[in-house]
Amino acid sequence: AQTVTQSQPEMSVQEAETVTLSCTYDTSESDYYLFWYKQPPSRQMILVIRQEAYKQQNATENRFSVNFQKAAKSFSLKISDSQLGDAAMYFCAYRSALSTSYGKLTFGQGTILTVHP
Amino acid sequence: DGGITQSPKYLFRKEGQNVTLSCEQNLNHDAMYWYRQDPGQGLRLIYYSQIVNDFQKGDIAEGYSVSREKKESFPLTVTSAQKNPTAFYLCASSKGRADTQYFGPGTRLTVL
Repeated sequence: AQTVTQSQPEMSVQEAETVTLSCTYDTSESDYYLFWYKQPPSRQMILVIRQEAYKQQNATENRFSVNFQKAAKSFSLKISDSQLGDAAMYFCAYRSALSTSYGKLTFGQGTILTVHP
Repeated sequence: DGGITQSPKYLFRKEGQNVTLSCEQNLNHDAMYWYRQDPGQGLRLIYYSQIVNDFQKGDIAEGYSVSREKKESFPLTVTSAQKNPTAFYLCASSKGRADTQYFGPGTRLTVL
């Protein structure tokens, strides 16, 4: 079974600065997808970024980018120019590409990000 | 606007009662999912459905039941057999199994 670990329960950053959230995962599969979701105080889960394991290029989405290290099974999220609205719980998630996986997402425990003005 | 709706936002249940949480989507997605979130933990999969009239158990299905009679709807029933039902419940959908999942706003269930 796959596992996802977020070793940072809490992180903080000053507004306009850069912060990196860590995520590691364990899998024996070679083809999969990785995601970062954001959960603000409203508790709605919002997709931040998605990475396909077969792509070597790191995904980027505006101020959000990832550092995907497949051999190390590491998938960190970098937030540049942090804004007050970035404050939320961030979840790393894994999804197998196997047809038998039925699309199940396996989540890490989450990292609470605080942004200081 | 296309999206996923869940109702009610807050739900209170007495011990021994069954309750049903609603999840509706107008995104024309085939796959739908139910997750449970407990404090300090990530989401865990309860049930999923890839097509109408078909659904499968996830990792923590005991004490829950679902139906998928319409493509747009995937209600979750929390039965009295669920020993610790107080949690935040999130519904998600995706176009297909391999596509990105999008989430509804969630339902907070509290057992009194």
